[in-house]
Formats: sequence, C-alpha cells, structure tokens
Amino acid sequence: AQSVTQLGSHVSVSEGALVLLRCNYSSSVPPYLFWYVQYPNQGLQLLLKYTSAATLVKGINGFEAEFKKSETSFHLTKPSAHMSDAAEYFCAVSLYSGNTPLVFGKGTRLSVIA
Amino acid sequence: KAGVTQTPRYLIKTRGQQVTLSCSPISGHRSVSWYQQTPGQGLQFLFEYFSETQRNKGNFPGRFSGRQFSNSRSEMNVSTLELGDSALYLCASSLDPGQGANEQFFGPGTRLTVL
Repeated sequence: AQSVTQLGSHVSVSEGALVLLRCNYSSSVPPYLFWYVQYPNQGLQLLLKYTSAATLVKGINGFEAEFKKSETSFHLTKPSAHMSDAAEYFCAVSLYSGNTPLVFGKGTRLSVIA
Repeated sequence: KAGVTQTPRYLIKTRGQQVTLSCSPISGHRSVSWYQQTPGQGLQFLFEYFSETQRNKGNFPGRFSGRQFSNSRSEMNVSTLELGDSALYLCASSLDPGQGANEQFFGPGTRLTVL
C-alpha cells in the first residue's frame, strides 16, 4: 500500500528565507508524486507533479521539488519565502497506473514571518 | 475554461438528516473524485466515478454514496448524518489519461457542519 509522510505539521520561516517542506513516500512501484497548496477556505491547487520525466521538477510560484528514489523523498523548496506563501501544503502519491486515487500526507502549515 | 464548481459552499444539518452535495467538473473531464477533509484525519478518498460508474471506493461506511450523470456532473449523498461527518468535502475532476499522471483539479469544497 502506498503512503505519504510529511515531517512537521507546522513550519515557520522568515520572509526571504528558504522554504523546505519534507515529504517521504512509500510505494511498491514507481509513483506519481504531487504537491498541492490550500489557502484558507479554498480547494487544493496543484503546485507541481513528478511523472518520471525529470527528477527536479519546477512548479508555479517559484516552488520546485526533487525526486530522490534512494531516499523515497520528494521535498518541496523555494529559495525565498513570500508572505503570500503562507498556506497549507499537501504531498500526495498515486500509482503509476494513473487510475488510482491520490493518497495525501497530513499536510504542513507554512507560516511566513515578516 | 471554468473550474470545478461545488454547490452548496456551506451547509448546516442536524444529526440523522441526509444531505446531497453537487459537483460540476471541468468541461471535458470524465472522472470525478470525492475527498473528505477533517482536521483529525486529513484528506481521505471517498470514491471516484468515471462514465457514470464507480471505479474506486475508499474506506467509508455505506451511508456515503455517490453517482455520476451522463454529463459527468456528480453528486454525493450522506444519509443518517453523524457529528463526525462534519468536514470539508472536496470534489476533483480529471481527464482519463490511461497510463498518464492522474492530475486532479479541485473545487473549492462544501463545508458541512452537523449539529
């Protein structure tokens, strides 16, 4: 069975500092991996996805993530945090077949301090 | 293209009642999935419909049901509501890419409060 672990339910960074949100997955086959962001009272918006084309994936709003098979990780980073990045971030996995539902991590709430 | 729409956005019900939530997918999307989001359990998959057929089902009791219409619009129903059913219910639509990545587009959700 596939699963996702997000380390840290709450991460706080200063404006302009590096953002690092951690995600580890467990899957018996090469997975598809996703990062979604959720702003208050809104649905989820896709930030980026890994589909085996390249290990370093660039997404929207300056975010990127690197797939590391040996570490079963897919950490999300952004070089410089902005106040507007404050939100909840979810890592998700689905099997290679593409027709299976997303399995989400518990989420990490990112706070940005001025 | 218009995004995924969900109605109503907010709903208050009492225990024992039933509720129906509606989801209109992005035009051309044939797959609709439903997720329940709560502070304690996070995001959990309820079920997925494709071409009016339930293709996948999560681990929820039979009180939770759904259906999909020929225009791909979907409804989910919860009968005999319990306090623990209070949650944000999210609908997501996607193309059916076969072997491709199952990229899902989410609606804003319906906030259900059970009193």
